[in-house]
Amino acid sequence: SQTIHQWPATLVQPVGSPLSLECTVEGTSNPNLYWYRQAAGRGLQLLFYSVGIGQISSEVPQNLSASRPQDRQFILSSKKLLLSDSGFYLCAWSGSGTGGNQPQHFGDGTRLSIL
Amino acid sequence: AQSVTQLDSQVPVFEEAPVELRCNYSSSVSVYLFWYVQYPNQGLQLLLKYLSGSTLVKGINGFEAEFNKSQTSFHLRKPSVHISDTAEYFCAVSRMDSSYKLIFGSGTRLLVRP
Repeated sequence: SQTIHQWPATLVQPVGSPLSLECTVEGTSNPNLYWYRQAAGRGLQLLFYSVGIGQISSEVPQNLSASRPQDRQFILSSKKLLLSDSGFYLCAWSGSGTGGNQPQHFGDGTRLSIL
Repeated sequence: AQSVTQLDSQVPVFEEAPVELRCNYSSSVSVYLFWYVQYPNQGLQLLLKYLSGSTLVKGINGFEAEFNKSQTSFHLRKPSVHISDTAEYFCAVSRMDSSYKLIFGSGTRLLVRP
């Protein structure tokens, strides 16, 4: 069966520090991968998605970037964190191919607090 | 563009009572529909999905939803809730014509009281 892992679960960082959040998927090949941010009490905002190694699409201009160095690895980064980067970050995967009928499967998230 | 509206930000209900969580969507093209549940400090878990066929869809944990194309709705129901159903519920849609994106509603917090 497929599993998705995110780490760390919780992270406290000072303003201006760098960030690296990692997500890996097991049990499937060539998945579509996604990064979302969930602000407190709000819905999910899609930040990035990837349909293959090195292929990244950005949904929202911001202080963050994403990379996909391996088929089942997705990394969210920042060079300098802002207070507004605080939130709950979720990684998700779906089956490959086009078509919106592929449900997305989520990791347990990383709660990021910026001080 | 697509949008999803969950009018109720919070729904309090007593244990063993029925519940309905409302979801309405707007789209210029046909869509697929999903309901997800999020327990505190966890990711989202797929409850059910409507892709085609019967408009009444059954999911996990005793939940079901009905797709109503004319009213552009996809309401979630459970005939008898448990304390353990207390969570945040999200409705989401995606386009049928090749899109990777899920558009989420703002969520409804279901609070089940003893």
